[in-house]
Amino acid sequence: DQQVKQNSPSLSVQEGRISILNCDYTNSMFDYFLWYKKYPAEGPTFLISISSIKDKNEDGRFTVFLNKSAKHLSLHIVPSQPGDSAVYFCAASAPGGVGSYQLTFGKGTKLSVIP
Amino acid sequence: DAGVIQSPRHEVTEMGQEVTLRCKPISGHNSLFWYRQTMMRGLELLIYFNNNVPIDDSGMPEDRFSAKMPNASFSTLKIQPSEPRDSAVYFCASSALAGGTEQFFGPGTRLTVL
Repeated sequence: DQQVKQNSPSLSVQEGRISILNCDYTNSMFDYFLWYKKYPAEGPTFLISISSIKDKNEDGRFTVFLNKSAKHLSLHIVPSQPGDSAVYFCAASAPGGVGSYQLTFGKGTKLSVIP
Repeated sequence: DAGVIQSPRHEVTEMGQEVTLRCKPISGHNSLFWYRQTMMRGLELLIYFNNNVPIDDSGMPEDRFSAKMPNASFSTLKIQPSEPRDSAVYFCASSALAGGTEQFFGPGTRLTVL
């Protein structure tokens, strides 16, 4: 049973346009959401996050939106650049035991930005 | 800062052999996570440690898998005996106990079991 779902395995976008990556979750206990970016042969790297007390967080070209009622979040990249081509993972956490928190990941969306 | 270090980067072995994957977390980080990535299941958490103590190993698929963290700067994931279905990329990640949920990943070990 997947608690974090990224229903689009891939997405192609023209350079300069907006990229929108979507993520749905089922666990209402999740209170923190993250996006990771992964290039081939490298580990995932943290991109941007949002707490459940917010509905939007912006960092440069990257904005994450959270709709708690719909259990949905999205990552917007504007404008898209060829260097953004990578696999993007959505992740969520719920309060865990003893300090640190487990992350539950989606399966990822491969973004291709076409020059 | 060297980041999370994993070795080896690639491992090819034959079915039935023992495989040991190694991880050095970022200095000062108190939490360490082992993940497995496959096409079918994506990124799965296998086990995580807080202050060198295993907290949750419910993601470990079978008794063939075991993980240890003898000190704050080293962890191993062992598969004995290995099987072809264990072929995957294995990632180690670390985070600061008081630093929220951001985890820093190593480059991964690509394991192929023939």
